Amino acid sequence: DAKTTQPNSMESNEEEPVHLPCNHSTISGTDYIHWYRQLPSQGPEYVIHGLTSNVNNRMASLAIAEDRKSSTLILHRATLRDAAVYYCIPNSSGGSYIPTFGRGTSLIVHP
Amino acid sequence: EPEVTQTPSHQVTQMGQEVILRCVPISNHLYFYWYRQILGQKVEFLVSFYNNEISEKSEIFDDQFSVERPDGSNFTLKIRSTKLEDSAMYFCASSIQGMGLDTEAFFGQGTRLTVV
Repeated sequence: DAKTTQPNSMESNEEEPVHLPCNHSTISGTDYIHWYRQLPSQGPEYVIHGLTSNVNNRMASLAIAEDRKSSTLILHRATLRDAAVYYCIPNSSGGSYIPTFGRGTSLIVHP
Repeated sequence: EPEVTQTPSHQVTQMGQEVILRCVPISNHLYFYWYRQILGQKVEFLVSFYNNEISEKSEIFDDQFSVERPDGSNFTLKIRSTKLEDSAMYFCASSIQGMGLDTEAFFGQGTRLTVV
């Protein structure tokens, strides 16, 4: 499985955009990149995923570098409810694998 | 919106006792998972289950753990003889395809297990 590097924490002000980076330089060509988040005292929650192209959904956007060695989760307007730990999880699309959560990035949103 | 339901939300048990944690995955999902999170630590994978058998398991998932899908709706995690270090939040998840493929996984709100 690809290894990931994410900042331990980031801070943002409410209503401002947030860019959460993830480095996954050992990713293989068929690995999807998934992002989940965990709000305080809750279970992980799916945010978005992609393979090569940038992706948008109602929660966020995912920008994937052309070489796929990094990606950025974009929250267009952070709200207090977005304060959570964000996990970048590149996973193997073939063969057996164990979906692994790392330490993630703890996002602090200031009012 | 469909959701994964876990019961109970909190369970307290004495060391050495057996516990069963219950989960109702989303009805049309085929892949089921258990994770745990010790307070202040990472979310750790325990086991994945597909087609009525374990497909992957971690080193944590030793002989004291077992999983079962006893009927068409429930997915259970049994810990045979609980230890203090089993105290954690246990999360169940389900997905249509294998997690990590072109799909999303849904997690339950967790069961907090406290072993005393």
